[in-house]
Amino acid sequence: ETGVTQSPTHLIKTRGQQVTLRCSSQSGHNTVSWYQQALGQGPQFIFQYYREEENGRGNFPPRFSGLQFPNYSSELNVNALELDDSALYLCASSLGRGRGELFFGEGSRLTVL
Amino acid sequence: AQSVTQLGSHVSVSEGALVLLRCNYSSSVPPYLFWYVQYPNQGLQLLLKYTTGATLVKGINGFEAEFKKSETSFHLTKPSAHMSDAAEYFCAVSEFSGNQFYFGTGTSLTVIP
Repeated sequence: ETGVTQSPTHLIKTRGQQVTLRCSSQSGHNTVSWYQQALGQGPQFIFQYYREEENGRGNFPPRFSGLQFPNYSSELNVNALELDDSALYLCASSLGRGRGELFFGEGSRLTVL
Repeated sequence: AQSVTQLGSHVSVSEGALVLLRCNYSSSVPPYLFWYVQYPNQGLQLLLKYTTGATLVKGINGFEAEFKKSETSFHLTKPSAHMSDAAEYFCAVSEFSGNQFYFGTGTSLTVIP
């Protein structure tokens, strides 16, 4: 059974650029959630995808967008990058929406200069 | 909205001593409660969870937590600290019908030899 995998692990961008982060969910899981973890903070919910539909969104602007594919893998896209977007982006998969236990990947560390 | 408070951003204990990490939450409905551990440059790993039933929950690596509804608390304990327990610990809450987890700001545990 493969766990949650994320790519890339590290990347550096400049302000105004766009970034795409990718996530493969754990085998059998149909729900993917994305979290942003700023340095020294707890993870903050960005949004969740369940069977290719957005199923809830946190307090993040529209320049944060996502996608889930038929195989339940997912992408997080961030446009017009700002310095404050520098963070660890965590993908978590679960079986079913709602209160299911989250299984996290190791994250993508984004630095915006 | 839910919120989670972790008292003490840094906790130091001697090897072999009791570990106590505090978590209080606010919720208008019965919550689901979780403790996650994060090692440097890694994602989050589930230690234990409370959903329903017995309020004393046992997790991995000798950790346990007790759900106290009257105190809105879910403190994490371990009778005897080990050097390998040094990590960041996050308490999280979700609602029964919710699709997002709310995380505390984390407690960094240092184990002194």
